[in-house]
Amino acid sequence: DAGVIQSPRHEVTEMGQEVTLRCKPISGHNSLFWYRQTMMRGLELLIYFNNNVPIDDSGMPEDRFSAKMPNASFSTLKIQPSEPRDSAVYFCASSFDGQETQYFGPGTRLLVL
Amino acid sequence: DQQVKQNSPSLSVQEGRISILNCDYTNSMFDYFLWYKKYPAEGPTFLISISSIKDKNEDGRFTVFLNKSAKHLSLHIVPSQPGDSAVYFCAALYGNKLVFGAGTILRVKS
Repeated sequence: DAGVIQSPRHEVTEMGQEVTLRCKPISGHNSLFWYRQTMMRGLELLIYFNNNVPIDDSGMPEDRFSAKMPNASFSTLKIQPSEPRDSAVYFCASSFDGQETQYFGPGTRLLVL
Repeated sequence: DQQVKQNSPSLSVQEGRISILNCDYTNSMFDYFLWYKKYPAEGPTFLISISSIKDKNEDGRFTVFLNKSAKHLSLHIVPSQPGDSAVYFCAALYGNKLVFGAGTILRVKS
């Protein structure tokens, strides 16, 4: 029974480059969440989707960040252009309507030089 | 504006003893509370939860207590085991959004 899958697990890039993070939620789950974890701000919600539709993107830091969910089994978080302050661990989580528990992926550790 | 606070950055406990992790919140609209455990290089793993209409929930060695009047919840682990050493996050749910505390590092010494 596969959990939430994220790729890549680690990403090192240079400032100004485009970064794309990928997430496959648990099969059957219809809500998907992107979180970012930093030392300064802890775990914070960036955006969440319900039935592939973005519901709340108020946590997205700025226009350099965008997220898509083209179908129920795939989502991307894109940063363009990337900056050193974007360095963090990015988590994807999924849940099913009516269930309070969100299940997290292993995260993508991003380092922008 | 920290709506969920875990004021103890770390806690050290002897194996076999009780671990008590604390969490305070400010928003009375939160309707569900969860505890997650996180090991290094892994994502947070759900541990136990409690609805705002309850004051206690138990699952094996783990018990969560909720005091709504004080806006305070705690996680008790009895007995503590070395494998419990991890970062513990308190989280509160409002609608479909989880708000996390900063986490408490628990070290269980054998």
